[in-house]
Amino acid sequence: IVLTQSPDFQSVTPKEKVTITCRASQSISRSLHWYRQKPDQSPELLIKYASQSISGVPSRFSGSGSGTDFTLTINSLEAEDAAVYFCHQTNGLPETFGQGTKLEIK
Amino acid sequence: QVTLRESGPALVKPTQTLTLICTFSGFSLSTRGMCISWIRQPPGKALEWLARIDWDDDKFYSASLKTRLTISKDTSKNQVVLTMTNMDPVDTATYYCARIQSVGDAFDNWGQGTLVTVS
Repeated sequence: IVLTQSPDFQSVTPKEKVTITCRASQSISRSLHWYRQKPDQSPELLIKYASQSISGVPSRFSGSGSGTDFTLTINSLEAEDAAVYFCHQTNGLPETFGQGTKLEIK
Repeated sequence: QVTLRESGPALVKPTQTLTLICTFSGFSLSTRGMCISWIRQPPGKALEWLARIDWDDDKFYSASLKTRLTISKDTSKNQVVLTMTNMDPVDTATYYCARIQSVGDAFDNWGQGTLVTVS
């Protein structure tokens, strides 16, 4: 299953609202997860099963979608959100990741 | 507190076999549903899932790398081992191990990663 994210890159200002999309090549129900990877760090889980929040993750992160189209929304962007964001599907093997979306903070 | 840590050689030569160890704490791989996967990331590129081992010793591999990969676990040592044969410069990447608490779930904890250069 191929996951295609858009955009590949976005330059944004603090406090802006950001939306990243992930499209699957076939239906994956809600088996879609989102990660943030800060520079030189490991990925960290932000959202699981399309919209389930994760303990300890700021509430400005939210997710939606099902089937083939998914969205990660970051409300009121902060400087620490400068990172690459990946989606990840676990509907079937092999598990796959999107190509990543790089957010630059202006 | 859940932690995972990858260890292995930083540099391997082409055609050699790579052996990576994931040492974990804060949970047991004997617990029903628990799994550990290996994922890699070439410099500046996307993540690629490689293999997974489950609490019941089921094993799963990337189709494109299946012939080169072997995953195993030593529950008593809290370790998961990944071997990759016939290494090539294109295998240069940061290799991560990550935990899943049930099949199909997200990776909720990751190791810090280990950079392996093939040259």
